[in-house]
Amino acid sequence: KAGVTQTPRYLIKTRGQQVTLSCSPISGHRSVSWYQQTPGQGLQFLFEYFSETQRNKGNFPGRFSGRQFSNSRSEMNVSTLELGDSALYLCASSFSGDEGYTFGSGTRLTVV
Amino acid sequence: AQKITQTQPGMFVQEKEAVTLDCTYDTSDPSYGLFWYKQPSSGEMIFLIYQGSYDQQNATEGRYSLNFQKARKSANLVISASQLGDSAMYFCAMRGVNSGGYQKVTFGTGTKLQVIP
Repeated sequence: KAGVTQTPRYLIKTRGQQVTLSCSPISGHRSVSWYQQTPGQGLQFLFEYFSETQRNKGNFPGRFSGRQFSNSRSEMNVSTLELGDSALYLCASSFSGDEGYTFGSGTRLTVV
Repeated sequence: AQKITQTQPGMFVQEKEAVTLDCTYDTSDPSYGLFWYKQPSSGEMIFLIYQGSYDQQNATEGRYSLNFQKARKSANLVISASQLGDSAMYFCAMRGVNSGGYQKVTFGTGTKLQVIP
C-alpha cells in the first residue's frame, strides 16, 4: 500500500511570503502529525489532527497553522515566513496513535 | 511533562558487531509507548520498534531489540550484527498523553551512528 506522501519535496520561498505543505496519509489512517526538524532544535512537534480536528498542538507561533480534510489529507500553512522557518517538515500518520507512526519523506523548506 | 534524553550525539561501531544506543525518559503517565526511528541521510523517518509500558517482554524486530528497564526509565536500542546500511541518525520517542487527554509524541535529540567497514 502507498506510504505517506508529502508534497512538494523541496521549496524555496522569500521572507514574508506564505507557504502551504501537503500530506496524504496512509489509507485508513486518521491521525496526521506534523514536525519541524532543524539542526539546532531537532524534531519539534507542531500539531496533530485526528478526524479533521486538531487535538494536540506544540509551542509554535500562530503563523503556523494546519487543517485536515474529510479524506484525512492534511495541509500545513506558514504565513509571513522568516529565515528561521527553514527546515525539514515531516508529516506522520497512524491509525490511532497506539502503534508506530509512518513518516513521509518530508518537505525541505528554504527561506531566503 | 514528557522528556526523552539521548546522551550519545554520535557513535561508531565496527561492521558485524552489536551496538547499544541509549535512551532515558521521564513521564508521569501510567501508560505510554516507546519508539525508535531511523533517519538516513535521505531524511525519511523509518519506524524500527515499539515497546508499550505494560509489555512484559522486551520488543524484538529482526536485528533490533529494545532493552526496556521500566524502573530505570530506560529504553535502549540494541542493533546486532551491524551493517553499513545502519549508518544513520537514530531517534528515541515516547508517546504519552497531554494535559488535554490527547496523544502526544516527544522525540529525543538523536544519536548519529556510523558503521565502520
